[in-house]
Amino acid sequence: GEDVEQSLFLSVREGDSSVINCTYTDSSSTYLYWYKQEPGAGLQLLTYIFSNMDMKQDQRLTVLLNKKDKHLSLRIADTQTGDSAIYFCAERTGNAGNMLTFGGGTRLMVKP
Amino acid sequence: DTAVSQTPKYLVTQMGNDKSIKCEQNLGHDTMYWYKQDSKKFLKIMFSYNNKELIINETVPNRFSPKSPDKAHLNLHINSLELGDSAVYFCASSREGVVYGYTFGSGTRLTVV
Repeated sequence: GEDVEQSLFLSVREGDSSVINCTYTDSSSTYLYWYKQEPGAGLQLLTYIFSNMDMKQDQRLTVLLNKKDKHLSLRIADTQTGDSAIYFCAERTGNAGNMLTFGGGTRLMVKP
Repeated sequence: DTAVSQTPKYLVTQMGNDKSIKCEQNLGHDTMYWYKQDSKKFLKIMFSYNNKELIINETVPNRFSPKSPDKAHLNLHINSLELGDSAVYFCASSREGVVYGYTFGSGTRLTVV
């Protein structure tokens, strides 16, 4: 079955790098995503990576994928207080309906 | 020009009532979804629907039913509300063959008292 896991909480100081980790179990995952949820808001797509890629960089965001270990990470460089939010990883497999399976979310707190 | 809009944003109701949450998307997407986010922020898929197929998460009670009057709308009806239904419900949409993930609405916070 599908299972996506994340650590619950991460605290960093402003200006440091943040690394949020995610593990998944379904080896047939085709795309993996990172979403950001700010308080009282819906989920906002940050970035995605195709399963045949190892890395993707987009400005301050770097996504690393280790398909062998089924491990996905999101690195945020020069973390700002505005980055404080809950970050969800999600996988899309070959299942019907294009449904995404989400991890439990990692709450990132950035201290000034 | 909200891409995926849900109404109401907040809903407080008594146990046993029947309520509906509306969702509309103006993105021309083919598929719409309902997710439930509990107090611990876990997101669980409830339904996936396009004009060809309704996929229901088998763990969802049959008190919950999606209704789609047209491609741009997917409403969520809940009968005989229970305390455990209190959560934030998110609507989302995607284009078929999704690469770019979903676009989410801002959520409806349902409180059952």
